[in-house]
Amino acid sequence: DTEVTQTPKHLVMGMTNKKSLKCEQHMGHRAMYWYKQKAKKPPELMFVYSYEKLSINESVPSRFSPECPNSSLLNLHLHALQPEDSALYLCASSPTDRVGNTIYFGEGSWLTVV
Amino acid sequence: GQNIDQPTEMTATEGAIVQINCTYQTSGFNGLFWYQQHAGEAPTFLSYNVLDGLEEKGRFSSFLSRSKGYSYLLLKELQMKDSASYLCAVRLYSGNTPLVFGKGTRLSVIA
Repeated sequence: DTEVTQTPKHLVMGMTNKKSLKCEQHMGHRAMYWYKQKAKKPPELMFVYSYEKLSINESVPSRFSPECPNSSLLNLHLHALQPEDSALYLCASSPTDRVGNTIYFGEGSWLTVV
Repeated sequence: GQNIDQPTEMTATEGAIVQINCTYQTSGFNGLFWYQQHAGEAPTFLSYNVLDGLEEKGRFSSFLSRSKGYSYLLLKELQMKDSASYLCAVRLYSGNTPLVFGKGTRLSVIA
């Protein structure tokens, strides 16, 4: 089983709303990632969690707030977003500390900010 | 900065063979990955190379030359469903470090 599950698949929110994207994996992976992908562009890294601790924040605006409640779950809390934040948000995970471990992606959450 | 280059678009005929090239100049190297991404979907893992040489997996093969900073993905017996974007990505360091992606190559397979 190499499944990373993301919910919701589609989200439309206003600029004053607060919403969350959720990600879950049961592969025992201890690294989890959030990527953002705009149309016809490659994924761009936002955050990395390693052993439930935030290890990389790629200078992401504070209106995006990640949370890792346990080793299987990763959330992305959204508040006061802008229309330009509309994109596909991809969660990914990878096994621990093995050279060449593959990153597995979820199906993504399509976010539209209106 | 990190530089990963791929052709933007390619077109090939059903049943043919196509080679998608990727060159990289990065501050570190701990493996190169190829992902396939259909429009509107998440990337799916195709192959991984960390040592020089060819890795074969069914209709897909990937080659790496570390000294040249070069990789290619070879797709044989092309099918219409192979029409997708193909992303080359480099892991810079060992451990749980993320991938740096190239801009992707959009492959169109025509009859």
